[in-house]
Amino acid sequence: GAVVSQHPSWVICKSGTSVKIECRSLDFQATTMFWYRQFPKQSLMLMATSNEGSKATYEQGVEKDKFLINHASLTLSTLTVTSAHPEDSSFYICSAPHRDLRGYTFGSGTRLTVV
Amino acid sequence: KNQVEQSPQSLIILEGKNCTLQCNYTVSPFSNLRWYKQDTGRGPVSLTIMTFSENTKSNGRYTATLDADTKQSSLHITASQLSDSASYICVVSARNYGQNFVFGPGTRLSVLP
Repeated sequence: GAVVSQHPSWVICKSGTSVKIECRSLDFQATTMFWYRQFPKQSLMLMATSNEGSKATYEQGVEKDKFLINHASLTLSTLTVTSAHPEDSSFYICSAPHRDLRGYTFGSGTRLTVV
Repeated sequence: KNQVEQSPQSLIILEGKNCTLQCNYTVSPFSNLRWYKQDTGRGPVSLTIMTFSENTKSNGRYTATLDADTKQSSLHITASQLSDSASYICVVSARNYGQNFVFGPGTRLSVLP
């Protein structure tokens, strides 16, 4: 149980275009979704926290107008990287707490390459 | 400041050998500690979760220990397999902390044949 499905698993896009990443909770309701970015050989860095039906909370240094987060339902949260640039190339992972908040389930990640 | 440190940064062992990874934290007030395994290019997968009152927890060949007094945890891997090659991340949760949890930098384990 408690599966978070993340798509796409990898994407290559041209500089200046936008890319949408989806995370769906398959068998539980995710009222909260955490979005992370991970550069090679580095730990996960929290970018933002989305809550169903309200605006996302962004970590310091993360541009909210560049990384658009939508959490319109209890089972779907999306991250859109707008006007992507090569420096946005990274591994993006979502995570949702479930049950008594002791458990966090991660998505399988999205490898974004901007060329 | 709430921090989680892990050692070693990387480790290479031969298949079949045992190894122990360390996690030290300063997160307070402590809620729980989790060990995750992250394969390259994949999302982290939970191995164990331990609360304040738990000293040891096993999951197959993985055994985690927790000393809440010294704020240290270890992850022991027995009879390593090639598939154990991954990054192992220690994550500590704090009660009443905005982010709710702090990630360690991870230990990169390579198991060689």
